[in-house]
Amino acid sequence: KQEVTQIPAALSVPEGENLVLNCSFTDSAIYNLQWFRQDPGKGLTSLLLIQSSQREQTSGRLNASLDKSSGRSTLYIAASQPGDSATYLCAVRPGNYGQNFVFGPGTRLSVLP
Amino acid sequence: GAGVSQSPRYKVAKRGQDVALRCDPISGHVSLFWYQQALGQGPEFLTYFQNEAQLDKSGLPSDRFFAERPEGSVSTLKIQRTQQEDSAVYLCASSFIGDGELFFGEGSRLTVL
Repeated sequence: KQEVTQIPAALSVPEGENLVLNCSFTDSAIYNLQWFRQDPGKGLTSLLLIQSSQREQTSGRLNASLDKSSGRSTLYIAASQPGDSATYLCAVRPGNYGQNFVFGPGTRLSVLP
Repeated sequence: GAGVSQSPRYKVAKRGQDVALRCDPISGHVSLFWYQQALGQGPEFLTYFQNEAQLDKSGLPSDRFFAERPEGSVSTLKIQRTQQEDSAVYLCASSFIGDGELFFGEGSRLTVL
């Protein structure tokens, strides 16, 4: 059974810092991996989708990498801003397409002005 | 529509009442998922549809939970005889088959008194 963990559970940084959020999964047979952000009381907003054949994806100040063999993905946020404060979740789609996404518990990020 | 739409956004029910939560996915999205999210945790899978076919309902916590998508677009999650432990945010997501990127609605927050 696929399990997803995220470290750290919470992170507080001053504005302007570069930071890395970690996601680990137990079964390397995945179809893709997706990073989301969730603001309090809101739904999930898609940030980046990495297919199993890719090693990284970039969008603006965000860069996500995928190392399938080691069961890890990282989300790198450059020059953090207070508006980046949210919970960041990763989700893994198993390799047998059509099965459900498995989510990690999230990392709660606070960027202090 | 432009995004995944869920209604109602907030629902308060007395224990024992039946509730129905609606999800209107992005137009053309074949896949539709329901997730349950408890406070401070990642979403937990409930059920998955491909068009009108419910391919996976392994996450439904009891036979009081029922989901349908009769015409392959709008979906309804029904909870019968609600219990306090059913209190959570119910998230709907859709994806276009062949891409896999998951798009979420804002969620329906259910409070059972």
